[in-house]
Amino acid sequence: AQSVSQHNHHVILSEAASLELGCNYSYGGTVNLFWYVQYPGQHLQLLLKYFSGDPLVKGIKGFEAEFIKSKFSFNLRKPSVQWSDTAEYFCAVNAEGSGNTGKLIFGQGTTLQVKP
Amino acid sequence: DTAVSQTPKYLVTQMGNDKSIKCEQNLGHDTMYWYKQDSKKFLKIMFSYNNKELIINETVPNRFSPKSPDKAHLNLHINSLELGDSAVYFCASSPYRDRRQLFFGSGTQLSVL
Repeated sequence: AQSVSQHNHHVILSEAASLELGCNYSYGGTVNLFWYVQYPGQHLQLLLKYFSGDPLVKGIKGFEAEFIKSKFSFNLRKPSVQWSDTAEYFCAVNAEGSGNTGKLIFGQGTTLQVKP
Repeated sequence: DTAVSQTPKYLVTQMGNDKSIKCEQNLGHDTMYWYKQDSKKFLKIMFSYNNKELIINETVPNRFSPKSPDKAHLNLHINSLELGDSAVYFCASSPYRDRRQLFFGSGTQLSVL
């Protein structure tokens, strides 16, 4: 069965520190990859996505992620975090074999707390 | 304007009750979803509807019945609520042409006492 694993459950950083959140998935076929963010009390927002092409994708708010196919990974990075980045971050995978059903497999989320 | 809106935001109820959660999207999308986030924060798909037709049903108990009166609405009715139903329920929608692009609501936190 397909699964998504986020290794960091709770990350605490100081402002201006660099961020990397790990995400690995298990699926041997073609995948579409996503990072979503959920700010306190708000809806899930799409940070960035990878469908094909350049494996380094840039998203909103200075976030980027790199798809490494050989490692089944899609890690999220930001060079310098801000207090406003405090939120829950979710990695998700949509397998091409899902036939464009919109079925996303999510990781369990990482809580990021940025100290001012 | 909120693109995908859910009501209520919080729902506290007793075991055995029947409750509904409503979802509406104003994005003109054809496909709508219900996802459940459990206490460990895992989000998992429950249902998907395209133009009022059920296309995904992920082995959800019969007590859960989605209803789509039109393509802009997908409501979730839950009968005989159980303690284990306590979770956050997220509605989402996507365009038919690219169902990978999901837009989520802000969630309904259901607490069953």
